[in-house]
Amino acid sequence: DSGVTQTPKHLITATGQRVTLRCSPRSGDLSVYWYQQSLDQGLQFLIQYYNGEERAKGNILERFSAQQFPDLHSELNLSSLELGDSALYFCASSAEGFIDSPLHFGNGTRLTVT
Amino acid sequence: AQKVTQAQTEISVVEKEDVTLDCVYETRDTTYYLFWYKQPPSGELVFLIRRNSFDEQNEISGRYSWNFQKSTSSFNFTITASQVVDSAVYFCALSEVTQGGSEKLVFGKGTKLTVNP
Repeated sequence: DSGVTQTPKHLITATGQRVTLRCSPRSGDLSVYWYQQSLDQGLQFLIQYYNGEERAKGNILERFSAQQFPDLHSELNLSSLELGDSALYFCASSAEGFIDSPLHFGNGTRLTVT
Repeated sequence: AQKVTQAQTEISVVEKEDVTLDCVYETRDTTYYLFWYKQPPSGELVFLIRRNSFDEQNEISGRYSWNFQKSTSSFNFTITASQVVDSAVYFCALSEVTQGGSEKLVFGKGTKLTVNP
């Protein structure tokens, strides 16, 4: 068990809809990373938050947004969903936003857009 | 930008064979970290190893061993006496400093290993 909790485990929704994925980091970790894993793109970095503030942005679409709350949990919001957004979304956390310790991942949320 | 190449898309072996998964990376950073993760069919990402760029010693953990060669920018992973439970997708990853001053991981495309009984 990595200590990173992601909910829900599975999500099935229709095109055009909006969903929210939730991540609780390991106890004491201040930084949260979001990754998207799709068959064609592989594991792509989306965005990182550190102690409530956005720290780095990767290949995140404008239809997607994220935030980290005062209790350090994070949510990834995906809107105007398209078929191509179907993927496995991972959250990871680290203590300080640096990869000086193993980056542990949650079990992922599998999103299916129909 | 950092880049990780796992040239082997799929490998199939018979149980008890040794298998090496290749990883070649590109980076301009002088300090960086290299990782291997395992993704079994159940889907989770399991951390296997982290290696600092200054530590070129090979590492062995049970049937797993890692060969880090800075001169060739490679960080290869060998499974000795493979078992069916080793069947998974294996990812090599490299740390990259972001513009915001933090770090993220850049992943290779992964190598799917199938171990047949």
